Amino acid sequence: AQKITQTQPGMFVQEKEAVTLDCTYDTSDQSYGLFWYKQPSSGEMIFLIYQGSYDEQNATEGRYSLNFQKARKSANLVISASQLGDSAMYFCAMREGSGGYNKLIFGAGTRLAVHP
Amino acid sequence: DGGITQSPKYLFRKEGQNVTLSCEQNLNHDAMYWYRQDPGQGLRLIYYSQIVNDFQKGDIAEGYSVSREKKESFPLTVTSAQKNPTAFYLCASRNTGNRAKNIQYFGAGTRLSVL
Repeated sequence: AQKITQTQPGMFVQEKEAVTLDCTYDTSDQSYGLFWYKQPSSGEMIFLIYQGSYDEQNATEGRYSLNFQKARKSANLVISASQLGDSAMYFCAMREGSGGYNKLIFGAGTRLAVHP
Repeated sequence: DGGITQSPKYLFRKEGQNVTLSCEQNLNHDAMYWYRQDPGQGLRLIYYSQIVNDFQKGDIAEGYSVSREKKESFPLTVTSAQKNPTAFYLCASRNTGNRAKNIQYFGAGTRLSVL
């Protein structure tokens, strides 16, 4: 069965430092996509970054980068130069296949706290 | 501004009552989704719709119903058959175009509680 695992329930980081949030996935599909979303206390899910299974380069979006290791089935999110506003829940999600209804499977999330 | 609007932000349901959560998008997206989030957990898919007048059940559709009469709107009804409706409900939409990365964009959510 397809599954996303986030092993870190909570993480702490000092402001301006980098932090890595772990995500491992399990799928038998060759074509899939990996996403990271941020959920602040307000509740809205904010899209951060996307990595396709056939993408050769690791995805980057500003201070966010995705460390994609296909053989290990991991897709860790790296946040550089953490800011106080980065404090939130972070969810890793996987989309299976390239067609169909694009169901997203979510992990349980990691709560990140950024300290001044 | 383009986006997804969910209303109300908070909703209370009485025993045996049906309630409807609104989701409207002006992103011109074809596909729309409803998810449920319980405390400390990720999201689970309730229903999805690829196109107007068509929708399919997700993983936890029992006790819920939807309609898709307009491209912009995808309301979710929580029926009295849903015995544990207290949760945070999120609506999402997606551009199904060929060059789209299939990214789902979310609304701000509706928090439903039982009185």
